Amino acid sequence: SQQGEEDPQALSIQEGENATMNCSYKTSINNLQWYRQNSGRGLVHLILIRSNEREKHSGRLRVTLDTSKKSSSLLITASRAADTASYFCAEGSVAAGNMLTFGGGTRLMVKP
Amino acid sequence: DSGVTQTPKHLITATGQRVTLRCSPRSGDLSVYWYQQSLDQGLQFLIQYYNGEERAKGNILERFSAQQFPDLHSELNLSSLELGDSALYFCASSVVGTVSTEAFFGQGTRLTVV
Repeated sequence: SQQGEEDPQALSIQEGENATMNCSYKTSINNLQWYRQNSGRGLVHLILIRSNEREKHSGRLRVTLDTSKKSSSLLITASRAADTASYFCAEGSVAAGNMLTFGGGTRLMVKP
Repeated sequence: DSGVTQTPKHLITATGQRVTLRCSPRSGDLSVYWYQQSLDQGLQFLIQYYNGEERAKGNILERFSAQQFPDLHSELNLSSLELGDSALYFCASSVVGTVSTEAFFGQGTRLTVV
């Protein structure tokens, strides 16, 4: 399966600023999921947005989905140094057994 | 803690050898997925099992195989190892069949082939 693309590949911001990461995907999806990975560690599930939803919030996270453009964005508001990690979007499809297709990820660095 | 347990956390082995990675899914999850994460290939889906049966196959080499046991734990077997097999191997588990299914990942097994 083809992977989507994430943009930017790397992002460096100051603490307190907002961070926006974008994801484009290629297939028909039932949902889009965002994960976080601290350096070399496991993937932590952040948020899932269904294909019939346009926006979803969870704490300081805001995810949008535009199915006409096959794109999604993750916004982290008021970033903290602890948000430093890689962030991945993943396409979910029920027809594919809920297997996830991951993008290449965005490496976020938040400077204190 | 995602509830998915992977062992071992680290594994160092020589080329040509065979290793087995183990995964215990979250309680109640019937589906297990294996992923490989390497620097050049990113996160690649390898294989999925559902309630003991193979459900989907991705970019899994013929030297690799997996199975899911009646107690739902899964093992990924990697044989005739090559340097290029060095990677992080993740297991994830989920329920299946809904548009809101989330997958939860273990901490991974870091395999180093020397």
